[in-house]
Amino acid sequence: DADVTQTPRNRITKTGKRIMLECSQTKGHDRMYWYRQDPGLGLRLIYYSFDVKDINKGEISDGYSVSRQAQAKFSLSLESAIPNQTALYFCATSGEPNTEAFFGQGTRLTVV
Amino acid sequence: AQSVTQPDIHITVSEGASLELRCNYSYGATPYLFWYVQSPGQGLQLLLKYFSGDTLVQGIKGFEAEFKRSQSSFNLRKPSVHWSDAAEYFCAVGPMNTGFQKLVFGTGTRLLVSP
Repeated sequence: DADVTQTPRNRITKTGKRIMLECSQTKGHDRMYWYRQDPGLGLRLIYYSFDVKDINKGEISDGYSVSRQAQAKFSLSLESAIPNQTALYFCATSGEPNTEAFFGQGTRLTVV
Repeated sequence: AQSVTQPDIHITVSEGASLELRCNYSYGATPYLFWYVQSPGQGLQLLLKYFSGDTLVQGIKGFEAEFKRSQSSFNLRKPSVHWSDAAEYFCAVGPMNTGFQKLVFGTGTRLLVSP
């Protein structure tokens, strides 16, 4: 099994719909992250969490919300999806500073 | 503010040839540097990282990178490319002793390997 699992892997949704992307990890890490990848823009941080009670906005948090249900679970929600939220979304987890991050396989979201 | 530049959007290399992917960064202190690879349909996998010590860093899959402070560069190299190396490569930079929330990623270089 993968260390970081994202569901769904692909999703097409309509403008205005609410959608949740889920992430779970088996690394036992406290730190979890949601990134968005767009062609030519690299990865940009949406939200991050250092533990269940510590959630922080990243570079591009507008239009998104998150929930840290447990140490192992970190969900990303789009309350009212819009077409420019069409992107590849990655969840990641890391341990202490100066250690590497482990990424999920990504969720390809298309908003029509 | 820190920034990362990967000047090559696409690179095509013949199988068996050598490879160098460029990464330049802007950062005021000693940075923490990474190279990640993203294979088609996969998440990002760490190739190597640098935060101190020997400036030539060895990674997985036969990759290495050299930190050159004077040039603000952290170029990735491989002496002989295999077809399975076709992927997108990301350089990232961040401050030491902080978490990934401070990491800045480059825009990526897509590597194509020709027969």
